[in-house]
Amino acid sequence: GNSVTQMEGPVTLSEEAFLTINCTYTATGYPSLFWYVQYPGEGLQLLLKATKADDKGSNKGFEATYRKETTSFHLEKGSVQVSDSAVYFCALSDSMEYGNKLVFGAGTILRVKS
Amino acid sequence: DTGVSQDPRHKITKRGQNVTFRCDPISEHNRLYWYRQTLGQGPEFLTYFQNEAQLEKSRLLSDRFSAERPKGSFSTLEIQRTEQGDSAMYLCASSLVDRGPQHFGDGTRLSIL
Repeated sequence: GNSVTQMEGPVTLSEEAFLTINCTYTATGYPSLFWYVQYPGEGLQLLLKATKADDKGSNKGFEATYRKETTSFHLEKGSVQVSDSAVYFCALSDSMEYGNKLVFGAGTILRVKS
Repeated sequence: DTGVSQDPRHKITKRGQNVTFRCDPISEHNRLYWYRQTLGQGPEFLTYFQNEAQLEKSRLLSDRFSAERPKGSFSTLEIQRTEQGDSAMYLCASSLVDRGPQHFGDGTRLSIL
């Protein structure tokens, strides 16, 4: 079945450091890919998305590129802030529609120190 | 857009009791999803509805679990004869078919004593 694997955390960085959180997936067909973020005490929020190969999703300084050849969707940010501290989840949907069920990775905790 | 609303936020109950959670999706969204999230894991799909029709159920959803969406608006998730392993965060999400990603509520945290 479809699955998502994320790098284990926690990831601890100093403010203004470069961030990469690795995500790889296994899927049949052509899934859409997502990064969701969960800030402390809050619900899951969509951070960015990509629906086809070579698409780049971006939001709030975060970017991720849909790489079909390596089945990856790594999350990057050039300069993290303390406010980026959260849990980040990589997810795929099992078709090109947005509206199908999501399969999530286990999540990666990010801690940013000032 | 008032967001997805879930009630209650927390539920503590004794093993063997029945519990029911409610989810109110974003008003124009016709798809509604239930997920379960345990500590240190990502959410796992349980079931989803398109309007009032329940279109898919995960194997995770044992026969003690039942979900309804009677008028295609709010949904309820009931767990009968709760067990320790049911302790988790239960998340609801909604979306428009073919347009837009899923929007999540803040979840209901269930604790079984």
